[in-house]
This record gives sequence, structure tokens and C-alpha cells, in this order.
Amino acid sequence: NAGVTQTPKFQVLKTGQSMTLQCAQDMNHNSMYWYRQDPGMGLRLIYYSASEGTTDKGEVPNGYNVSRLNKREFSLRLESAAPSQTSVYFCASTRIRDGTYGYTFGSGTRLTVV
Amino acid sequence: GNSVTQMEGPVTLSEEAFLTINCTYTATGYPSLFWYVQYPGEGLQLLLKATKADDKGSNKGFEATYRKETTSFHLEKGSVQVSDSAVYFCALDGAGGTSYGKLTFGQGTILTVHP
Repeated sequence: NAGVTQTPKFQVLKTGQSMTLQCAQDMNHNSMYWYRQDPGMGLRLIYYSASEGTTDKGEVPNGYNVSRLNKREFSLRLESAAPSQTSVYFCASTRIRDGTYGYTFGSGTRLTVV
Repeated sequence: GNSVTQMEGPVTLSEEAFLTINCTYTATGYPSLFWYVQYPGEGLQLLLKATKADDKGSNKGFEATYRKETTSFHLEKGSVQVSDSAVYFCALDGAGGTSYGKLTFGQGTILTVHP
């Protein structure tokens, strides 16, 4: 099915380890986003890429880096994981930077840092 | 900056009851407004949206009207089903400036419907 694919679905890291969360969409969308979801706080934007070749910080970028590898793929990297980064991470995409079309979300990556 | 406030949950209803989940927002300009639903273990799915004042979004029996005068976008359904049990998020896409294209979410409201 067309949509947003995230890998892995689950991950446990030790403090200080690094990892990359992968996201790919096959809808020819221009804009892609990374959010984290924490209990009672909704979703908060980490980084976004308005179009291929550009990336910008969101609300909570500290401790993360991103790469827009091509139009389809947008990865999120944790260089030195901390327990505060335990969360559920969602990737999303939309056709243009416009609410008209809504956003498509992946199924999420549940990350635990111990 | 932009913000979204949803009613406190969780909300527990019996099947066929009427549902209202309140959502109010603060934003500059004319944002687009959304309701997303998240079923257990899944990502968020777009439930409905409205892109300008007085628009009514509707889907699967759910409705919400964009009220600029009260800065609200309350979600309603006349008769809920057990399958509607999920977490509901109100969100806005800020219009203009650097917030354009980035969603601001409410904290989510857990809905449980009993048979």
C-alpha cells in the first residue's frame, strides 16, 4: 500500500549509543516531518524538510540530526542517545506546505533508551 | 506562537451516545484545522479537516466546524460505536510565516466506548 514507511518499529538503545530512524514515502510528496509523541504532550515537531535539499529545526531539535536523502527518504539520527529521548517517533509527509491536503503519517518507531 | 488546547480526557461513553471533544486554538492569520485519530499501536490518520472559517469537515459520521469568532474546532458525533475507541488529536497548520506547513497538536483525548 502507498504511504509512509518507517523502520524499525521498535528499538532499545543504551545511553550514549547512536542510531538512525528511516522514513520513506512513495506518494511523491515534497514536504516531510519528524515528530515525537510523549504521554500528555501530543506530538512535537523535531525537524522538517519543506522540499528536497532543505531541512529546518522544529520545536524540539536538540540531540537530533536529519538528512533528506532524496525526495522519498528523510532520516532522523540520534548521535548519543539519552533516556529523555525515549518516545514514539512518527514520520509524516504532505504534498506541499499547505493544510489543504492533510498529512500522511507512518506507523511509528517506539524507542526506549536505558 | 501557535497553540491548541483540547478538553481533558479520558472520555468514556456508552455505545450510541453523543460525543463532543472540545478544541480551541491560538494562531495568527488563517490556519487550517484538523482532527486526527490514532488507533492502538498505529500512526495518526486524518479524520477530517477545514481550511477556512465556517467550513465544516466531516467523515465517518464525525463533524467539526471551523469557528473563527470563538477560535474553536469541536469534534462531534451523534452516535459513537465501540470501534471509535481511540485517541483523537486536534491540530492546526499555521498560515503564513515560518509556521506554514508545520502542525501544532493538542495533547490528545482518549475516547473509550463501551458496548
